Amino acid sequence: GAGVSQSPRYKVAKRGQDVALRCDPISGHVSLFWYQQALGQGPEFLTYFQNEAQLDKSGLPSDRFFAERPEGSVSTLKIQRTQQEDSAVYLCASSLGGERNEQFFGPGTRLTVL
Amino acid sequence: GESVGLHLPTLSVQEGDNSIINCAYSNSASDYFIWYKQESGKGPQFIIDIRSNMDKRQGQRVTVLLNKTVKHLSLQIAATQPGDSAVYFCAEIANRDDKIIFGKGTRLHILP
Repeated sequence: GAGVSQSPRYKVAKRGQDVALRCDPISGHVSLFWYQQALGQGPEFLTYFQNEAQLDKSGLPSDRFFAERPEGSVSTLKIQRTQQEDSAVYLCASSLGGERNEQFFGPGTRLTVL
Repeated sequence: GESVGLHLPTLSVQEGDNSIINCAYSNSASDYFIWYKQESGKGPQFIIDIRSNMDKRQGQRVTVLLNKTVKHLSLQIAATQPGDSAVYFCAEIANRDDKIIFGKGTRLHILP
C-alpha cells in the first residue's frame, strides 16, 4: 500500500552541477505530475505525463530542466547546470487519470544549490 | 494570468473552535476546486474537492463552500484540533486530469 515515493529526500548541489530526482508513482497510476515549490509558496506546475507521453511541459522554467518517464512508471526530473534559483522542493504526484483526478503527492525532494 | 490567491497568510484559532479559511480565484473557467493540507516536510494531502456546479460539499469535519458569483472558495474545519496545524492551499483545475494551480497558502495555528 505504498504511496508516491521520491528520492533523494534531500539534495545539496554546487552551482553548475547536474542533478537527477526520481519519482516512483503509485502502481497503476497513469498520470504523473511534477511541481516546484519555493519556500513559503504554493506548488507550481512543471510538467505532466500520461503513461510515457509527456503531454504538457509548459511549466518547465528553462531548457535546463528535463523530465522523462520512459516506461510509463518511474519518472526522473533532471536539472542541468543548477543555479541558486533552482533551490526548492520538487514534488511528484500521480493519479489514475481520466475522470478520477485525485492527485496523490510524494514527500518531495528538497534541492539546495550552493 | 490565471491565479488562485488567499486572503490571509496566517490564521490562529483556539482549539475546539471552528476554522474558516478563505480563498479567491480568478479563472471563471475552472470547473474543479480542491483544498489541500500540507504539513512540514510532507507533500500536499487532499482534503476535499468541489465541482463548479455545486455550492457546498461536506466531509468529515470539513465543509467547502463555493461562491461562483464572487469567485470565492472557503474551507470550514469544525472543532479544530492540534493535528489540524498545517498550511492549507486552495487549488483549481480547468479540466479533469489537468495541472493543478495552487494559491499561496494559509498557515493555520492552533492555540491551546
